[in-house]
This record gives sequence, C-alpha cells and structure tokens, in this order.
Amino acid sequence: DAMVIQNPRYQVTQFGKPVTLSCSQTLNHNVMYWYQQKSSQAPKLLFHYYDKDFNNEADTPDNFQSRRPNTSFCFLDIRSPGLGDAAMYLCATSSSREKWNEQFFGPGTRLTVL
Amino acid sequence: GDSVTQMEGPVTLSEEAFLTINCTYTATGYPSLFWYVQYPGEGLQLLLKATKADDKGSNKGFEATYRKETTSFHLEKGSVQVSDSAVYFCGFGNEKLTFGTGTRLTIIP
Repeated sequence: DAMVIQNPRYQVTQFGKPVTLSCSQTLNHNVMYWYQQKSSQAPKLLFHYYDKDFNNEADTPDNFQSRRPNTSFCFLDIRSPGLGDAAMYLCATSSSREKWNEQFFGPGTRLTVL
Repeated sequence: GDSVTQMEGPVTLSEEAFLTINCTYTATGYPSLFWYVQYPGEGLQLLLKATKADDKGSNKGFEATYRKETTSFHLEKGSVQVSDSAVYFCGFGNEKLTFGTGTRLTIIP
C-alpha cells in the first residue's frame, strides 16, 4: 500500500543534542510537509518542500532545518533541542501544490527531550 | 489572526448515539473547510471537506455543512459506532491547512 512512513515512532534525545527525524513516502508526491504538534494543541506547519523548493513558515525557529535529498525522503533536523521542542512531529504529503487541501499524513514521531 | 475553535474533548458517547462536534473559524475571505480524523496509532486522514458556502461534505456517515453566516462547520453523525473512536480535527485553509486542537471521541458499546 502506498503510504507515508515516519521513523522512528518514538525518539528520545538530550537537551542540546542534535536529532534527525525521518519521513519517507511511496506515493511519489511532489509536496512534503512537516508539522509540530504539542500536547493538546493543533498541528502547526513548520515548512514544506515543493519538489526541491523549500518553503519556511515565518515563525519557524532557526533551530529547525529540513532536507529533501530525493522525492521519497524528507528529514527534519533539530540542531539544539530544547525542552520546549518536545512534541509529536507529523510528516505529510500532497500530490501537488494545488492539492494542498488533500494531504496524506504519516503516524508521527513523538520526540522527548531530557 | 486566523484560527479554528473546536469543541473540547474528550467526548464519550454510547454506540448509536447522535454526534455533534462543533467547529468555528476566524479567517479572511472564504477558505475551504475540512475535517480530518486520526485513528489510534495512525496518521491524520481527510474525512470530508467543503469548498464554498452551503456546501455539504459527507463521508462514512459523517456530514458537515459550510455555514458562512455563522463561520461554522460542525461535524455530525446520526448513529456512531465503536469504530468511530478517534481524534477529530477541524481545519481550514486557503493555501495551507490550519487545524483546531482536536476532539477525542470515545464510543462505548
């Protein structure tokens, strides 16, 4: 089945220790998104890639970076995680920019910062 | 700024009960409106959508009507099942999705 896969499902890191979260998709979609969802809050868009074109949200901290080496994979890098970065991180895809309203989500990676 | 307000959970209902989850939005213009659902251990899935005023989105027995005058998009289902237990997210967008905080629904047999 075509799907969006996130690894790992649970990630523990230490305060200030860089961490990378991974997302892959078998849908061959052009657009990939990263959202942050803190406890009891709405998912918040961090950035997205349209193909190789990176689009950062204005209020996304510089601590968060992303890489998309090919169509299938997208990574979220947190350079120096703080306690406030503990959250669920959701990856999503859409087939095109015009289909932004039909996104396919992965199950998420829950990040704990000690 | 733009935002979505949806009913706080958790909501617990008995099987075959009627469901309403309220959702209102604040946005410029007339955005598209959505309901996404997240089943345990899975990612969010689009449940239904409406793109203009008075449109009704429907799927799996769920319905929601785009009410421009009240800026609302309440989710309803006439008879819920245990398998409907999930977290429901209301959202809107013009070029990107803005979500509410989610409502956890539990259906008991």
